[in-house]
Amino acid sequence: EIVLTQSPGTLSLSPGERATLSCRTSQSLRSRDLAWYQQKPGQAPRLLIYGASIRATGIPDRFSGSASGTDFTLTISRLEPEDFAVYYCQQYGSFPMYTFGQGTNLEIK
Amino acid sequence: QVQLQESGPGLVKPSGTLSLTCAVSGGSISDNYWWSWVRQSPGKGLAWIGEIYRSGTTNYNPSLKSRVTISGDESKNLVSLTVNSVTAADTAVYFCARHITGWNAFDIWGQGTMVTVSP
Repeated sequence: EIVLTQSPGTLSLSPGERATLSCRTSQSLRSRDLAWYQQKPGQAPRLLIYGASIRATGIPDRFSGSASGTDFTLTISRLEPEDFAVYYCQQYGSFPMYTFGQGTNLEIK
Repeated sequence: QVQLQESGPGLVKPSGTLSLTCAVSGGSISDNYWWSWVRQSPGKGLAWIGEIYRSGTTNYNPSLKSRVTISGDESKNLVSLTVNSVTAADTAVYFCARHITGWNAFDIWGQGTMVTVSP
């Protein structure tokens, strides 16, 4: 089973700053099998990025995803007040199996 | 626009059976999509339970496979989840979700339903 490790656990930033969230996989993973979600309290997760770098429908272009080997990154170029939430990465592997990272809590500094 | 709505009992007794349904509107469960159940224990992360395709083919998380059944009812446009022999560890918010076509990610989610396992 592929394990996803997200870092940092909590990221404290101010609106307007740049956020960089990391998701490291324990084994090699195809880029197409990595996604990112945003979750706010009391809400369902919202798909932001799939295929490691493809923005989902309606997602602002300040959100971007990238991959390098077993390291995947979600970048929010300029934080808006509504971006403060928990972010999860998700992988598909060891057919058929989906797993999620433990989450990064992006909080207002 | 496709919408998903989970429903079911909010309280289940230990050793009992948890049964939930996911009503799909704005689309059909027989369309070319996989449909999954995902749960989130209080204050914890997300865990995939299993998936179904066109009310037929199913796959399950190995850790839950012996206790879980996912089925589809095309006449009612419902996807159902059953979990047997529940314990307190099954207390969670349960979400149904649609897979994005051709990719291994979930693009549409229901709002989730909270299930508590307690005597």
